[in-house]
Amino acid sequence: EVQLVESGGGLVQPGGSLKLSCAASGFTFSDSPIHWVRQASGKGLEWVGRIRSKANSYATAFAASVKGRFTISRDDSKNTAYLQMNSLKTEDTAVYYCTRAITGTRGFDLWGQGTMVTVSS
Amino acid sequence: QSVLTQPPSASGTPGQRVTISCSGSSSNIGSNYVYWYQQLPGTAPKLLIYRNDQRPSGVPDRFSGSKSGTSASLAISGLRSEDEAVYYCASWDDSLSDYVFGTGAKVTVL
Repeated sequence: EVQLVESGGGLVQPGGSLKLSCAASGFTFSDSPIHWVRQASGKGLEWVGRIRSKANSYATAFAASVKGRFTISRDDSKNTAYLQMNSLKTEDTAVYYCTRAITGTRGFDLWGQGTMVTVSS
Repeated sequence: QSVLTQPPSASGTPGQRVTISCSGSSSNIGSNYVYWYQQLPGTAPKLLIYRNDQRPSGVPDRFSGSKSGTSASLAISGLRSEDEAVYYCASWDDSLSDYVFGTGAKVTVL
């Protein structure tokens, strides 16, 4: 089955860190750009960042709101991408989705079920 | 606050045609592709339209996208009850170097 499955969400204090995982199956993960998108409760969607494939030097890019605090990596041997979140703020509280982009586009055609991150003291 | 503006809501009766607009600027819609997503309650978004007017495999042809200048539209024809959802437009913004989503439009089937 073609799918993405996120894990690693939870409750963390402001200033803390958390690492999310995105496990892929059913498609050639190593060729696929992976993006992270988040959604605060009752709010709209917000792009977080992306990592490209090895062929594109694993290049990463991030939204201004998380630049310098979040990093994205991937382990193609494990078909898994990661979102490392540091210096977390209460406004980072959201459901975090990993998504696959259609090659050559920014259309996200495959989404995980999401994992909840709560930043609170 | 999103740089892509959508009406907060739209509605129609079964079988009708509903159109949702997405207004941007020269740095996003005006110079980049537009994408449309459907989000049903409690679920992850689903890609409906990519590259302005292309439908992924499996998306019914009742859904169509268009773009003109710095605005885009999503049309849903033959409206069905299962189309009740929030619809988001999205595009890359060259000035922000961000992928930006619209504010979202909730479609209600009366």
